[in-house]
Amino acid sequence: DVKVTQSSRYLVKRTGEKVFLECVQDMDHENMFWYRQDPGLGLRLIYFSYDVKMKEKGDIPEGYSVSREKKERFSLILESASTNQTSMYLCASSSSSGRYPNNEQFFGPGTRLTVL
Amino acid sequence: KNEVEQSPQNLTAQEGEFITINCSYSVGISALHWLQQHPGGGIVSLFMLSSGKKKHGRLIATINIQEKHSSLHITASHPRDSAVYICAVRNSGGSNYKLTFGKGTLLTVNP
Repeated sequence: DVKVTQSSRYLVKRTGEKVFLECVQDMDHENMFWYRQDPGLGLRLIYFSYDVKMKEKGDIPEGYSVSREKKERFSLILESASTNQTSMYLCASSSSSGRYPNNEQFFGPGTRLTVL
Repeated sequence: KNEVEQSPQNLTAQEGEFITINCSYSVGISALHWLQQHPGGGIVSLFMLSSGKKKHGRLIATINIQEKHSSLHITASHPRDSAVYICAVRNSGGSNYKLTFGKGTLLTVNP
């Protein structure tokens, strides 16, 4: 079974702090994703990576950056956390035969981040 | 207007009832996903389909490409089916890695 793990289930940070959210998958998937989920808005893509050191902006990249130094690990970074970044953050991974993945995405358990 | 619309937003049923959740989309797609999210956050992929019908246990998913519509059916519903069900589509053109999500349907099944 695919396993996608996230470093924390719950996280509380203060405005202005630098925040790291880590995601690890154990199935050698090429593609990894970071989403945020907010009530009434559904899941929105923040960033996507289709290979080591490769990344693409999603729908809402502002205020976030990402890092993918190893295939199994995809990090989401909030350079200076703000209260409007309080949300549920979900990581996902999928395999592909190239740059455009066609297979299903496997999700991590989510990190509920609160920024005070 | 969201490209993916789900109905109903909320659904309450009694144990044993047959349940249908609908998903309509407005773009050309290469695949449609049905996902399940239990309280606490974790999301599980139920189905990925591009045509026809798929069945897994008590769950059935259908898609009509011409009408741009999909349905998720649950037969003999059970309280453990209570969850948010999310429809997501992968666009057929351009950056087709991207999934566009519906806002979800909250299903509550009472014993």
